[in-house]
Amino acid sequence: GDSVTQMEGPVTLSEEAFLTINCTYTATGYPSLFWYVQYPGEGLQLLLKATKADDKGSNKGFEATYRKETTSFHLEKGSVQVSDSAVYFCALKGTGGFKTIFGAGTRLFVKA
Amino acid sequence: GAVVSQHPSWVICKSGTSVKIECRSLDFQATTMFWYRQFPKQSLMLMATSNEGSKATYEQGVEKDKFLINHASLTLSTLTVTSAHPEDSSFYICSARGDGGAGNEQFFGPGTRLTVL
Repeated sequence: GDSVTQMEGPVTLSEEAFLTINCTYTATGYPSLFWYVQYPGEGLQLLLKATKADDKGSNKGFEATYRKETTSFHLEKGSVQVSDSAVYFCALKGTGGFKTIFGAGTRLFVKA
Repeated sequence: GAVVSQHPSWVICKSGTSVKIECRSLDFQATTMFWYRQFPKQSLMLMATSNEGSKATYEQGVEKDKFLINHASLTLSTLTVTSAHPEDSSFYICSARGDGGAGNEQFFGPGTRLTVL
């Protein structure tokens, strides 16, 4: 069945460092891909999404490109801030799908 | 974006008792609600999907008699953990999806942490 694998955390970075959180997926057809973020004490929020190959989703300085050839959707940000400290979830929704499949989440700590 | 609330945010109960968790969509009508369970350092696992006014669809391996889901209105769904045991201790998250203005995006509640003693 469909699945999502993302890098284990926690990831600890200094402010202004470059961030990459790896995410790969297994799915038939052409799934839609998502990154969600969960700030402490809050619900998951959609950060960005891409619905077809080579699409780039972007929001708040974060970017991820839908790479079908490598079945990946890595999250990147050029310069992280302390306020980016959160748990990040990679997710997919299969073709014609109804359910969202989540990765295990990666916790990011950004130090001042 | 749209707001989904959960109540309570945390609950501690004795083994054998039942616990009800509420999920509300505050500013949109949720035709579909999803209930997830999250274990420490693990992914969200979908437990069940409910559409307003109809019975919930449970994922394989989820006991429908233990986890009772009611979606009585377009803004409220409840999850009742019946005869709770320590192994039911977990973080429960609901998600709601509307039609029209809210589109097909899922909006998530902040979660409820259940601890069964």
